[in-house]
Amino acid sequence: DIQMTQSPSSLSASVGDRVIITCRASQGIGSNLAWYQQKPGKVPKLLIYVASRLQSDVPSRFSGSGSGTDFTLTISSLQPEDVASYYCQKYDSAPPTFGPGTKVEIK
Amino acid sequence: EVRLWEFGGGLVQPGGSLRISCETSGFTFTDYAMTWVRQAPGKGLEWVASVSSGAVSTYYADSVKGRFTISRDQYQNTIYLQMNSLRVEDTAIYYCAKTLGSYGLYYFDHWGQGTLVTVSS
Repeated sequence: DIQMTQSPSSLSASVGDRVIITCRASQGIGSNLAWYQQKPGKVPKLLIYVASRLQSDVPSRFSGSGSGTDFTLTISSLQPEDVASYYCQKYDSAPPTFGPGTKVEIK
Repeated sequence: EVRLWEFGGGLVQPGGSLRISCETSGFTFTDYAMTWVRQAPGKGLEWVASVSSGAVSTYYADSVKGRFTISRDQYQNTIYLQMNSLRVEDTAIYYCAKTLGSYGLYYFDHWGQGTLVTVSS
């Protein structure tokens, strides 16, 4: 099975900072990658699919890029409401595997 | 508005069984695959099982294969997860998710609030 890794596992940044989270697949997965946000105590929410397409109602400060094995989720200007864990998920083949997550906090 | 709500979680002893359900509304249920995803306390997300839109195909994580069965009722707009031979490591919040994609190549655009399953003696 293809393994997914994320880096960093956690980060602390200031409001207004640009934040970049990386997701790497152990084999190429094309653009079959989604990103989810899970705020503390809340349900996961789809942010991005097909590596770079923004789900409706997601703020434009979120963006995704990459293909093959390396992907990034960028928050262009971190806001207090962005405190959450972020998970990538590949769906090029079964099983649809999640990455281990990146916890984002405000400094 | 898409709504998913899970129920049926609870405390069960190791080796026991439990069936959880997820009722849905707000979308054409028969057009979409459906999935269960779980999250152990303080841990990340783990895909558990999916069922295709027409209930013809099912897919399982290796960790639950042979013990869990996913099914759907196309008239009640509900999915189920029958869990047998439960283990302590199955303890988690179980989320149902409306699923996009096909042939097992799935991602998830709406999630329920989850139901907690605790396996403990």
